[in-house]
Amino acid sequence: DGGITQSPKYLFRKEGQNVTLSCEQNLNHDAMYWYRQDPGQGLRLIYYSQIVNDFQKGDIAEGYSVSREKKESFPLTVTSAQKNPTAFYLCASSIIAGLSYEQYFGPGTRLTVT
Amino acid sequence: AQSVTQLGSHVSVSEGALVLLRCNYSSSVPPYLFWYVQYPNQGLQLLLKYTSAATLVKGINGFEAEFKKSETSFHLTKPSAHMSDAAEYFCAHQGAQKLVFGQGTRLTINP
Repeated sequence: DGGITQSPKYLFRKEGQNVTLSCEQNLNHDAMYWYRQDPGQGLRLIYYSQIVNDFQKGDIAEGYSVSREKKESFPLTVTSAQKNPTAFYLCASSIIAGLSYEQYFGPGTRLTVT
Repeated sequence: AQSVTQLGSHVSVSEGALVLLRCNYSSSVPPYLFWYVQYPNQGLQLLLKYTSAATLVKGINGFEAEFKKSETSFHLTKPSAHMSDAAEYFCAHQGAQKLVFGQGTRLTINP
């Protein structure tokens, strides 16, 4: 089955540690995205990538880093510089065709930092 | 900058009643518009999309939305609510290389 996988579903870390969230897709999509979701704040874009080895900052990139070494994979690292890392993180992908960027979402990773 | 406004962060309806979730967008170019649904602790699932074809768009689970250019609106409706419709709903507008999301509307269904 084609889709997007995110692992793990739940992640716990101590403050001051970097943590990497996994996102893999087998949809052959060119573009991939990372969002952060907090209660009552909707989705906020962290980073996105439209092609391998290239990515752009979204609205809240500070304290995060990404890589895109393979088309299928777009891991997100939450660094110790991120002030409030506890949140629900969503990965998405889309084809780039014409003007439509319909996105498909993974199941999410809930990160808790204490 | 493009923006999407969802009127009402919480909407509550009785089972069997009409569901109406409001979405307005700001854009001067022909829009591509989407509605997504999110169940607790899950990712977003596409309900329906408008891509400049028919103004009334039918989606999954009995939902539909009507694009009204004069009102810059794309409201989501369902004639009869079911308990399983309880979720958060997001309207999104196609921006430059990415989607612009509204803040979301949490739908509660009362038995």
